[in-house]
Parts: sequence; C-alpha cells; structure tokens
Amino acid sequence: LAKTTQPISMDSYEGQEVNITCSHNNIATNDYITWYQQFPSQGPRFIIQGYKTKVTNEVASLFIPADRKSSTLSLPRVSLSDTAVYYCLVGGADTDKLIFGTGTRLQVFP
Amino acid sequence: EAGVAQSPRYKIIEKRQSVAFWCNPISGHATLYWYQQILGQGPKLLIQFQNNGVVDDSQLPKDRFSAERLKGVDSTLKIQPAKLEDSAVYLCASSTRTSGVSYNEQFFGPGTRLTVL
Repeated sequence: LAKTTQPISMDSYEGQEVNITCSHNNIATNDYITWYQQFPSQGPRFIIQGYKTKVTNEVASLFIPADRKSSTLSLPRVSLSDTAVYYCLVGGADTDKLIFGTGTRLQVFP
Repeated sequence: EAGVAQSPRYKIIEKRQSVAFWCNPISGHATLYWYQQILGQGPKLLIQFQNNGVVDDSQLPKDRFSAERLKGVDSTLKIQPAKLEDSAVYLCASSTRTSGVSYNEQFFGPGTRLTVL
C-alpha cells in the first residue's frame, strides 16, 4: 500500500479556508484516496474519498491532480469545531485495509 | 442507525494482568476491525474479521493478544499478560465490505483507553 506524507500540524483562524496537502508518490492505478477526521477521545470519521479530479461533499472538497501523486483536502470556512487530526490514506479497490500515518493536527483559533 | 459500541471506555490495570474489550458493530456489517492507537500516532490495524473468519491478523502480537468474533457479530479482544507498552486506545470499526466489493467506509467506535501501570 502506498505511503503518504502530510504536514504534522497546521494552524488557522475561524472563517478561513484550510488546504491540507498529502503526498503519495507511489500510488497504484487502482488506489483510492481517502481522508478521515479524528477528534480527541473519538474514533476516526470518514470525510471524503476520491480517485481523480475533484470530489465535493457537504463537509469538504478533495482535489486530485492528473498524476495522482498528491491530493489536497479543502475545508471551507473552518470553525473551532474543525480542530482535529486529519488523516490521508491510500488504498486499493481490492482491499479496505487502512494504514494510518501520524496525520495533520489542525488547530483552529477564534 | 446505532453506531459501533465499545466497552469499557476506560480501563486501568497493572502489568501482567489480563484485560478484555468488547465491541458490537453496526448491524449488518460483515467486517470488523480492531485497531491500537498509541498516543500521538495514527491507529494501527491489529486484526480484521469478515463475518466470523479472520482476514488479516499479521500485526496482532499473538503471544499476548487474542480476538474472536463468535457468530459473526460481537467481538472481544483480549490481552494476557499486559505490558506497559500496551497502554493505548483500542478502537473497533466495522464496514459493509464483503468479498469482491470495492472499498467501503469504516465506522469507528469511541474506543477503550487502556492504561497499564
């Protein structure tokens, strides 16, 4: 399974857009890119998943360039409640095994 | 829809004691996972069940950890004997994944925080 690299931490202020980039240079042809969010004292929660181009849901957008070697999770107008750890994961359609890295710790300030 | 249930939420034991965690997945979810999350790290998969069969236990320390999923529903994870380095949060997750189906979202429970003294 492809290894991912993402920033250890990021700071933002309420109302700003936050973009978290993940690098996955060894992504395989059938790999999907998935992002999970984890609040303190809770289990991770699925945010969004994509294969190529752009995916948007009610929570976030996921941008994937043509070479798929990186992806960017975009959180529009963050609030204090978006303070959490965000994990980027890469996995294939033939397995749902999740390999978590250390994630990106997002701190949103008022 | 009820989420993944885990108990207990917290457990404190001394090293060399034994401990067991319980998980009840979302109804109808065929696949169940146990993860270990050490403070400051991402979750690490310990074992994956599909129904009542083990799919992957390659990272389960089998000399001290065991898990079962009788009847393909609830699951228990046991540690015997516990070591100091077992202090972590133990997360259970479930998904609807069945063989041959593309990737499915995993739903996580709140976890059990284990402290080994």
